[in-house]
Amino acid sequence: EAGVAQSPRYKIIEKRQSVAFWCNPISGHATLYWYQQILGQGPKLLIQFQNNGVVDDSQLPKDRFSAERLKGVDSTLKIQPAKLEDSAVYLCASSLDIIGRDNSYNEQFFGPGTRLTVL
Amino acid sequence: QKEVEQDPGPLSVPEGAIVSLNCTYSNSAFQYFMWYRQYSRKGPELLMYTYSSGNKEDGRFTAQVDKSSKYISLFIRDSQPSDSATYLCAMSGGSGGYNKLIFGAGTRLAVHP
Repeated sequence: EAGVAQSPRYKIIEKRQSVAFWCNPISGHATLYWYQQILGQGPKLLIQFQNNGVVDDSQLPKDRFSAERLKGVDSTLKIQPAKLEDSAVYLCASSLDIIGRDNSYNEQFFGPGTRLTVL
Repeated sequence: QKEVEQDPGPLSVPEGAIVSLNCTYSNSAFQYFMWYRQYSRKGPELLMYTYSSGNKEDGRFTAQVDKSSKYISLFIRDSQPSDSATYLCAMSGGSGGYNKLIFGAGTRLAVHP
C-alpha cells in the first residue's frame, strides 16, 4: 500500500513570497490533515478535511494560509505572503474514517513532510 | 500552560537499557493516548495507542496511562540503536474530537552501541 505522498520535499523562499505544498493521501482515506511542525516542537493541526469539506480550521492563520481539497482526494496548502516564523515542516496525514468504532483508534498516517525555510 | 508537556531530552542510553519516556497533560477529557516515533526527516509513525486508562504491551514496548494523575509513559525494553528517534506523545478526545491530535514536543532518544 502506497503511503501519503507530499511534494516538494524542501523549499526555500524569501519572506513575503508565496508557496504551495501538495499532498496525495492514501487511497480511500476520507480524512486529510495538514500539520505544522516547528523545529523542536510537536506537530500542530492546521486544518482537517473530511472528503472535500473542512471539519476544523480553527488553528489555520487564515490571513495568509489557505487550503483546499478538490474532489476529496489531493490537497494543496498555500502560504501568501510567507513570514520568517512560517519556517517549519508541513506534514500531511490521512485516515480512513472520521470516527473510531468500538474504541479503536482512527490511525493517522503521515507523509514525509515539506521542509520550508523562509529567509 | 501547554495542554501536553513532554521533556525534550535529549536522552542518551547504552544498547540494552530500559528507556522510560513520559508526558503529562491538563485536559481531563482526553480519551486516546498515542505514542508516535519520528525518525530524522521522516513523518511520525504510530507505535501504540491506549484508550482510557491501563497498560498495553507490544513486543519491547509498553504504554501506560494513569488518568488520575494525567500522566502517560512509554517503556522500551532491551533498547536498540534502531530505536534512536524522537518519540512524540499525542492525545485526543473531548471538545476537540477524537481525530484532533494534541502532540507533546517530543523526546529525542539516542541509543548507542
